[in-house]
Amino acid sequence: GQNIDQPTEMTATEGAIVQINCTYQTSGFNGLFWYQQHAGEAPTFLSYNVLDGLEEKGRFSSFLSRSKGYSYLLLKELQMKDSASYLCAVRDPPGGNNRLAFGKGNQVVVIP
Amino acid sequence: GAVVSQHPSRVICKSGTSVKIECRSLDFQATTMFWYRQFPKKSLMLMATSNEGSKATYEQGVEKDKFLINHASLTLSTLTVTSAHPEDSSFYICSAHRGMNTEAFFGQGTRLTVV
Repeated sequence: GQNIDQPTEMTATEGAIVQINCTYQTSGFNGLFWYQQHAGEAPTFLSYNVLDGLEEKGRFSSFLSRSKGYSYLLLKELQMKDSASYLCAVRDPPGGNNRLAFGKGNQVVVIP
Repeated sequence: GAVVSQHPSRVICKSGTSVKIECRSLDFQATTMFWYRQFPKKSLMLMATSNEGSKATYEQGVEKDKFLINHASLTLSTLTVTSAHPEDSSFYICSAHRGMNTEAFFGQGTRLTVV
């Protein structure tokens, strides 16, 4: 099974940098995803890690350490529109049909 | 990019009635789609995996007769909430993958309110 843990809420100032952590325990690892979800809307894909290291996509970067069961999402140059919930999700092991198990999400509130 | 469309976006129904929610993949075929449920300020809980041409696979604790899933074509899965009750009020979201080992694309979600 999958056990995914995320802290719940943080507040940051516009222009700042925030790091959102995600730890997981799985019976088999097949990739970790980060999604952004605004209130009342569906999640949108941000990044994907399957190998150790840092993946950078513009203002967003995601890091993975498989040995530690740990990932983080880094948001740089925060903008007001970045106020949202950030969800990490771990995919089923190979042969598991692409099922995703989501963490509880971390609510980021950006203030002026 | 891939687009998944979900309909309706909001529905209010009376207790005891049934509600059908549609999930369509618009520019790709999806042999598998997923249905999630989300309560306010909570994460997405996977309800079931919808399999084209065969029975859905339900997660533990999800009532098959309560949440009927039909995946009759490669671009359409439907979730029917039968005999809805106020406790079924929630945000229901579907997702699909363009292929194996790719990211999930989500529908817009359906806000169901049972009164």
